[in-house]
Amino acid sequence: AQSVTQLGSHVSVSEGALVLLRCNYSSSVPPYLFWYVQYPNQGLQLLLKYTSAATLVKGINGFEAEFKKSETSFHLTKPSAHMSDAAEYFCAVSEPGNTPLVFGKGTRLSVIA
Amino acid sequence: KAGVTQTPRYLIKTRGQQVTLSCSPISGHRSVSWYQQTPGQGLQFLFEYFSETQRNKGNFPGRFSGRQFSNSRSEMNVSTLELGDSALYLCASRGDSPIAKNIQYFGAGTRLSVL
Repeated sequence: AQSVTQLGSHVSVSEGALVLLRCNYSSSVPPYLFWYVQYPNQGLQLLLKYTSAATLVKGINGFEAEFKKSETSFHLTKPSAHMSDAAEYFCAVSEPGNTPLVFGKGTRLSVIA
Repeated sequence: KAGVTQTPRYLIKTRGQQVTLSCSPISGHRSVSWYQQTPGQGLQFLFEYFSETQRNKGNFPGRFSGRQFSNSRSEMNVSTLELGDSALYLCASRGDSPIAKNIQYFGAGTRLSVL
């Protein structure tokens, strides 16, 4: 069975500092991996996706993530945090084919001025 | 292209009642999935419909049901509501070509409060 572990339910960074949100996954087959962001009272917005192409994936709003098979990780990074990045971030995994997404518990990112 | 549309955005019901939520997918998408989001359990998969047939099902009781219409719009029904059903219900749609790569697009959700 697939699973996702997000280390840290809450991460706080200063404006302009590096953002690093951690995600480890478990899957019996090569997975598809996703990061979604959720702002208060909104749905999930797709930030980026890994679907077996390049291992370094660039997404929207300056975010990127690197798929590391040996570490079963898909950590999300952004070089410089902005106040508007404050939100909840979810890592998700699925198997190729018509399978549902399995989500991590989420990481709430706070950005301090 | 319009995104995934969910109605209503907010609902307040009392225990024992039933509720119906609606979801219109992105134009051309035939797959619609439903997820429940709660602070305790996080995001959990309810079910997926494709071309009016349930294709996948999560681990929820039979009080949770759904259907899909020929225009791909989907409804989710919860009968005999319990306090624990209070949650944000999210609908997602995706394309069904291989190039779609299982990418799901979410609506804004329906927040259900059970009193």
